[in-house]
Amino acid sequence: GESVGLHLPTLSVQEGDNSIINCAYSNSASDYFIWYKQESGKGPQFIIDIRSNMDKRQGQRVTVLLNKTVKHLSLQIAATQPGDSAVYFCAEIVTAGGSQGNLIFGKGTKLSVKP
Amino acid sequence: DSGVTQTPKHLITATGQRVTLRCSPRSGDLSVYWYQQSLDQGLQFLIQYYNGEERAKGNILERFSAQQFPDLHSELNLSSLELGDSALYFCASSVGQSPKQPQHFGDGTRLSIL
Repeated sequence: GESVGLHLPTLSVQEGDNSIINCAYSNSASDYFIWYKQESGKGPQFIIDIRSNMDKRQGQRVTVLLNKTVKHLSLQIAATQPGDSAVYFCAEIVTAGGSQGNLIFGKGTKLSVKP
Repeated sequence: DSGVTQTPKHLITATGQRVTLRCSPRSGDLSVYWYQQSLDQGLQFLIQYYNGEERAKGNILERFSAQQFPDLHSELNLSSLELGDSALYFCASSVGQSPKQPQHFGDGTRLSIL
């Protein structure tokens, strides 16, 4: 079946540096992508989303880039802070054939921020 | 705080038993989603209800069922429990019926099967 995967399972960065978390997806029909952040003991928290008709979207300190040619998604976090330490998940939705689709989550990348 | 409330936070029970997990969505949200998070399978979509009606089904076992009540809270029933059902169960809610809207997650119920 189709699945969303991650290039790097763990990422360690220095406080103040920029972080880039990568995600590969395999279904070219995916038309909606979301990044979630999950802190220890908490549920996933929505960060940012992007539709397949866009290649870049910016939020507060975060940017999501979508490259449909190579089926790659990335989340960039500017000036990473200790509070950004968490597991980050990308998720995709495929809507085809009249189906509304469901969120399909990747395995997650753990981001550790060193002070 | 996401505004989504899940109870109980922890549940310990034995194989063969039946449990009910409860979720109260954010005020104003009509959709409720249930997810299972396990170490080997990751986060998997189970089922969605919208305004009391089942809207979409994912990888939900036949031993599991859910419903959404008129006050929009939802319950996930797990029966004939097996060791492999040990996992975190999350509920999420959103305003509309499309999954292409931000879903707001509760902090989950941790189910341990002994």
